[in-house]
Parts: sequence; structure tokens; C-alpha cells
Amino acid sequence: AQSVTQLDSHVSVSEGTPVLLRCNYSSSYSPSLFWYVQHPNKGLQLLLKYTSAATLVKGINGFEAEFKKSETSFHLTKPSAHMSDAAEYFCVVSGDFNKFYFGSGTKLNVKP
Amino acid sequence: GAVVSQHPSWVICKSGTSVKIECRSLDFQATTMFWYRQFPKQSLMLMATSNEGSKATYEQGVEKDKFLINHASLTLSTLTVTSAHPEDSSFYICSARAGVHEQYFGPGTRLTVT
Repeated sequence: AQSVTQLDSHVSVSEGTPVLLRCNYSSSYSPSLFWYVQHPNKGLQLLLKYTSAATLVKGINGFEAEFKKSETSFHLTKPSAHMSDAAEYFCVVSGDFNKFYFGSGTKLNVKP
Repeated sequence: GAVVSQHPSWVICKSGTSVKIECRSLDFQATTMFWYRQFPKQSLMLMATSNEGSKATYEQGVEKDKFLINHASLTLSTLTVTSAHPEDSSFYICSARAGVHEQYFGPGTRLTVT
């Protein structure tokens, strides 16, 4: 079975400081992992995805994530937060029959 | 990129009535679509997998007679919430599979049952 655990329900950072959103996964085989962002009253937007290629994945808006098999982690980072980054972020693992399993979400607050 | 639409974007219905939500893949064909439910301030929960030309497969705990899914064409899947009750109020999101481990999400439909 596949699952993801997002370790922080809320993260608050100041504008211009680094962002770290943590995600651990569980999978019986080599997983495909994703990060999505959901702004208030908006649809889900794909930030980046890992599908067994390079372990460091670069996404949109300056986000990147590193797949670490030994730690079963796929943490999302950004060097410098922007006010527009304030949103809900979901870590997702793809399982059998291409079903997506979502983490519980991390709400990112960016302080001016 | 691939675009998925949902209609309506929001709907209010009275308790006991049924409401249909459409999910369309606008610029690609999708043999598989998925339906999710999101409660306020919570994550998305996969409800069912919709397969074109065949019956949907439901996740454990999801009532198939309450949430009717029809995938009549390669670009359209519908979710009908039958005999809706206030506890069915939620945000329903569909996605369309565009490839292996690749899904595009619709903008969601907010259902309020009064």
C-alpha cells in the first residue's frame, strides 16, 4: 500500500527566508511522488513530480524537492519565500492503477 | 498543458434531491478519470475511479448507490450525488488521467446541501 505523511500541518516563514515542507512516503515499490499547491478557492496546481529519474526535481516558481530513498522522504524546498507562496501544499504518491493518495496537507503562511 | 473542466463550479440543493457534476477533459482523451472529495481544511480523499465504458470502482467506505458515476465518453465523466443530505456538502474534485502517473485536476465543485 502507498501513503504519504506530511509532518507539519502549518508552516510559517518570513518573506525572503527559506521554505521547507516535509513529506515522508510509504510504498511497496519505487514510487512516483508529486507536490501540488492549492490556493484559496482555486484548483490544484502541479509544482513538480518525481518518476524515478533524477532524485533532485526542480519545479515551478523556484520550488524543488529531493527524493531520498534511504529516508523515504520527498521534502519540498524553496530558497526564498514570496508572499504569493502562501497556500496549502499537498504531497502525493501514485499507487496501484495510477491512483493518487494525498497527504494531509501543509498550510504555508508567509509573513511580510 | 492539459485542461480539465468541471460544471457547475458551485451548487446549492435541497436535502433529498440529486445533483449531477460534470468533469470534462477539454484537449485530450481520458479513459480513466478520478473523483475526490475534500472537506473544509482537509485533504483530498479518493472516492472512485471512473473508467470509460465500464463500471466505476469505488474506494472502501464510499457508497456506490449514493455517488453514481458514469463515464460515457473519453472526455466526460459525471458524478451524481443521489438523495443528498447536509453531510454530503463538500468540495468535489475530478481528475483525468493523461498518462502513466499523470493526472490533471479540475477546478472543483462546491456542493452545499440545505
